Amino acid sequence: GAVVSQHPSWVICKSGTSVKIECRSLDFQATTMFWYRQFPKQSLMLMATSNEGSKATYEQGVEKDKFLINHASLTLSTLTVTSAHPEDSSFYICSARDVFTGGGTEAFFGQGTRLTVV
Amino acid sequence: AQSVSQHNHHVILSEAASLELGCNYSYGGTVNLFWYVQYPGQHLQLLLKYFSGDPLVKGIKGFEAEFIKSKFSFNLRKPSVQWSDTAEYFCAVNARAAGNKLTFGGGTRVLVKP
Repeated sequence: GAVVSQHPSWVICKSGTSVKIECRSLDFQATTMFWYRQFPKQSLMLMATSNEGSKATYEQGVEKDKFLINHASLTLSTLTVTSAHPEDSSFYICSARDVFTGGGTEAFFGQGTRLTVV
Repeated sequence: AQSVSQHNHHVILSEAASLELGCNYSYGGTVNLFWYVQYPGQHLQLLLKYFSGDPLVKGIKGFEAEFIKSKFSFNLRKPSVQWSDTAEYFCAVNARAAGNKLTFGGGTRVLVKP
């Protein structure tokens, strides 16, 4: 199957600093990437849909100024958590759809990034 | 609100027992249905998917799922589980009515005792 790589796998940062998480599709092109957040013992919650070359679409309740998404190419999307606070500590997961297979409806997931804000 | 519901949060069973995990969704119209698995310490992997055709879908590792349109359900089954099936299982729905976003159920943690 297609491979989606996230970097870093885990990061610890101080309150008030910003953290950037990268999501790359390694062997396919993805016009659309998705960013999810997973709290302990809970399911994945979609934060935003990242579209190549255009602005991301954020879900209700997600602060677009806090979670900056950039999708500059067909293989890379980044999520920047700005001015991070302890409540932003979570597991962030990206996924991408291969635009060239079956209409691109199957999503492939990255390994996730565990963010801890201290 | 439109949603995806998984009935069981936790399931504990012994090896060789049969497993069935329930999943219901509330979207109308065209849907694509998925089951993902997350093994401890690993990322999500696709178990199986339904787009169209035969409503009984075979996936990897002996899993299968049945799409029952009239019940808005897509239950996952495995006749005989192994210890290695210990994981968290997520049902997900991609619905045109929801803007084609992939929405996940709450997940079911399955523990298979050796």
